[in-house]
Amino acid sequence: DGGITQSPKYLFRKEGQNVTLSCEQNLNHDAMYWYRQDPGQGLRLIYYSQIVNDFQKGDIAEGYSVSREKKESFPLTVTSAQKNPTAFYLCASSPGLANEKLFFGSGTQLSVL
Amino acid sequence: QKEVEQNSGPLSVPEGAIASLNCTYSDRGSQSFFWYRQYSGKSPELIMSIYSNGDKEDGRFTAQLNKASQYVSLLIRDSQPSDSATYLCAVNIGGGSYIPTFGRGTSLIVHP
Repeated sequence: DGGITQSPKYLFRKEGQNVTLSCEQNLNHDAMYWYRQDPGQGLRLIYYSQIVNDFQKGDIAEGYSVSREKKESFPLTVTSAQKNPTAFYLCASSPGLANEKLFFGSGTQLSVL
Repeated sequence: QKEVEQNSGPLSVPEGAIASLNCTYSDRGSQSFFWYRQYSGKSPELIMSIYSNGDKEDGRFTAQLNKASQYVSLLIRDSQPSDSATYLCAVNIGGGSYIPTFGRGTSLIVHP
């Protein structure tokens, strides 16, 4: 079955540590996105990518980095510069960037130890 | 800043009633509008999409779009306890990139 796989489901970060969240899709979608969700809040865009080897900053990119070396994969690194990383992280994809719905992964809950 | 606004609620309705959820947006160039349902701890799932002014019905759900007034709404008829969730409004803001922008969501509680 086609879909988006995020891993791990839960992740704990120590102070000063970088951690990487995985996102893989087999839907053959061109566009991929990373959103952050805090309790009681909507989704805020971190980064998005329209094609391989290209990505753009969203509204809250500081303290995060991404890569898009393969069409299927869009990993997100939460760096030590992100001082408040505790949140629910959602990866999504769409066929393109024009008026299309998003397909979401199951999310990763990141907490700070 | 291009914004999407929703009342955070909670909106509480009795079982069998109509739940009405509203969303306003700031960018007149927006072209596509979506309602997602999100259960606690889960990822959002698409309920409705609407692109033209007027109403669009799908089962118990009706989406209404008024571009002149810049609002989109979702009506849920015959509300069930299983409809209790957070409903997120998403708008694809124009300007060439069409990036989905989300409101903060409205929490709906359907009580027996």
